[in-house]
Amino acid sequence: AQTVTQSQPEMSVQEAETVTLSCTYDTSENNYYLFWYKQPPSRQMILVIRQEAYKQQNATENRFSVNFQKAAKSFSLKISDSQLGDTAMYFCAFTNTNAGKSTFGDGTTLTVKP
Amino acid sequence: DAMVIQNPRYQVTQFGKPVTLSCSQTLNHNVMYWYQQKSSQAPKLLFHYYDKDFNNEADTPDNFQSRRPNTSFCFLDIRSPGLGDAAMYLCATSRDPSGSSTDTQYFGPGTRLTVL
Repeated sequence: AQTVTQSQPEMSVQEAETVTLSCTYDTSENNYYLFWYKQPPSRQMILVIRQEAYKQQNATENRFSVNFQKAAKSFSLKISDSQLGDTAMYFCAFTNTNAGKSTFGDGTTLTVKP
Repeated sequence: DAMVIQNPRYQVTQFGKPVTLSCSQTLNHNVMYWYQQKSSQAPKLLFHYYDKDFNNEADTPDNFQSRRPNTSFCFLDIRSPGLGDAAMYLCATSRDPSGSSTDTQYFGPGTRLTVL
């Protein structure tokens, strides 16, 4: 069974600074997908960024980028130039191409302070 | 442009009184999921449909059932809600042409269920 671990239950960052959220996972599979989802307070969960395991290049979406280390089974999310609207719970998720479903980490609550 | 819609947003029911939560989508995605999310925890997958094929998680209680009458709609039925079933229920969809759930999931806003 796959497991996803987010070791930081809560984090905070000053507006305009950079923060990195960590995620590690455990799998014996070689083909899979990794996601970071954002769930703002009382709002719906949305995709932040996704990474295909077969791609060596780290995914980037504007201020959001990942550091994907396949051998170490690590998938951290870096948020640059943090904004107040980045305040949310962030979930790391793993999808095995054979399992047909995703496994979520327990989440990291990020607070961006003015 | 709502893509995954859940109704109602808030539902209050009594202990043991059956309740149905609904989810509809305008994305024409063939996979639909139901998750249970308790406060500040990870979403827990209850079951999912790939088209009409129902896939139940091994640890989903029998108290939880689902129906998918067509591509657009999916329902979560809780036959006899207990106090422990109070939670946010999230519906999600994904486009899955390959038969494995590799694509991004699109979530609805959730239905917050209160059991009195």
